[in-house]
Amino acid sequence: GESVGLHLPTLSVQEGDNSIINCAYSNSASDYFIWYKQESGKGPQFIIDIRSNMDKRQGQRVTVLLNKTVKHLSLQIAATQPGDSAVYFCAENMPPSGGGADGLTFGKGTHLIIQP
Amino acid sequence: DTGVSQDPRHKITKRGQNVTFRCDPISEHNRLYWYRQTLGQGPEFLTYFQNEAQLEKSRLLSDRFSAERPKGSFSTLEIQRTEQGDSAMYLCASSTRTGTGGEKLFFGSGTQLSVL
Repeated sequence: GESVGLHLPTLSVQEGDNSIINCAYSNSASDYFIWYKQESGKGPQFIIDIRSNMDKRQGQRVTVLLNKTVKHLSLQIAATQPGDSAVYFCAENMPPSGGGADGLTFGKGTHLIIQP
Repeated sequence: DTGVSQDPRHKITKRGQNVTFRCDPISEHNRLYWYRQTLGQGPEFLTYFQNEAQLEKSRLLSDRFSAERPKGSFSTLEIQRTEQGDSAMYLCASSTRTGTGGEKLFFGSGTQLSVL
């Protein structure tokens, strides 16, 4: 099976609410995690990353949380906007690539739908 | 536009034909990646280059696939004797290091291949 997966294929939220997208990974040796956003007809766009020696990292309106005990990754989007509608992928990197993207494994994605 | 560009955006071909895709990465990026993405799935790594050297190939890259980056700038991906199972979005990405020491991939919009 896949080493990286999503709990829900589709997530629907009201505009202005906070969104939480979850991801489970199975390889405890993974040392680097990334969230990507993919809009229709476009390639994935980097959102935020986190290394395994951290448990939280914040960006602009986004926060990534890493729980290594249960091998769980989440992306929180504050005050969701219509432009946040997209498919969100988590990806993990397994050594010995040393953080190089050649070891990057993507999950299947969660489609975030924003309700007006 | 100084992002990653891919050409063509769409390609329809008959089974057994050869196809070639081109990728122009962001000029200052040394690493270039090729991924394949099918509907509802995350991108799957195919191969990557450090300058003109091809350093890694996935098991997905059968002997019908060949990639080149002759001058360390643009890259081409050729598929010979295409099969219907080759139908997918082919994504190119170039990368730079993030503040966490990982790699941030910048993806192009992809080439959508349909094999009839």
